[in-house]
Amino acid sequence: NAGVTQTPKFQVLKTGQSMTLQCAQDMNHEYMSWYRQDPGMGLRLIHYSVGAGITDQGEVPNGYNVSRSTTEDFPLRLLSAAPSQTSVYFCASSHRGGDAGELFFGEGSRLTVL
Amino acid sequence: AQKITQTQPGMFVQEKEAVTLDCTYDTSDQSYGLFWYKQPSSGEMIFLIYQGSYDEQNATEGRYSLNFQKARKSANLVISASQLGDSAMYFCAMRELGSMDTGRRALTFGSGTRLQVQP
Repeated sequence: NAGVTQTPKFQVLKTGQSMTLQCAQDMNHEYMSWYRQDPGMGLRLIHYSVGAGITDQGEVPNGYNVSRSTTEDFPLRLLSAAPSQTSVYFCASSHRGGDAGELFFGEGSRLTVL
Repeated sequence: AQKITQTQPGMFVQEKEAVTLDCTYDTSDQSYGLFWYKQPSSGEMIFLIYQGSYDEQNATEGRYSLNFQKARKSANLVISASQLGDSAMYFCAMRELGSMDTGRRALTFGSGTRLQVQP
């Protein structure tokens, strides 16, 4: 059971570099989202999608871009990395964002920006 | 305004004892869901338990139960008979279901409580 798969698990970037965090789920979930986790702040929503072709901003979207061309994939792009984007990133999915369905999380991606 | 508040940054409990992790929430919606997740040191997020705002019974899942006090807007997690493997970060989260705004339906997390179970 693959569930939600994130790659890479670890990444070190220099300030100004760009990169894409990949996220794929095989549960046919309509809803997908990206969170970042920082010490003492819990998880904060970056972007989310309620279906292919539909994305929207969460609480902390600046500096990130997303797209949802298929139901399965929801990549997160850092356009020009900054040290403030050093964090652990989680991709999560569920059947719908509007019901009681639990979120299924990937294993996380630890990003360090120097 | 903080929607989910976890006031205990860290907690200690003796093995085999029960422990309560506090969570208060803020919403004007009548329909919402409350979740607890566990994050061990390995980093993954593990779903523990769910409580709907209209559920009359407190949710239970094995050794986990949710003490839901709607009027006080609290959703405390109770872990009975603590085990060493319960040592982890615990996050309370809420999803508001009363709005058509999909953004408000996203899961909002508290800052977490680090639980350490001592032998």
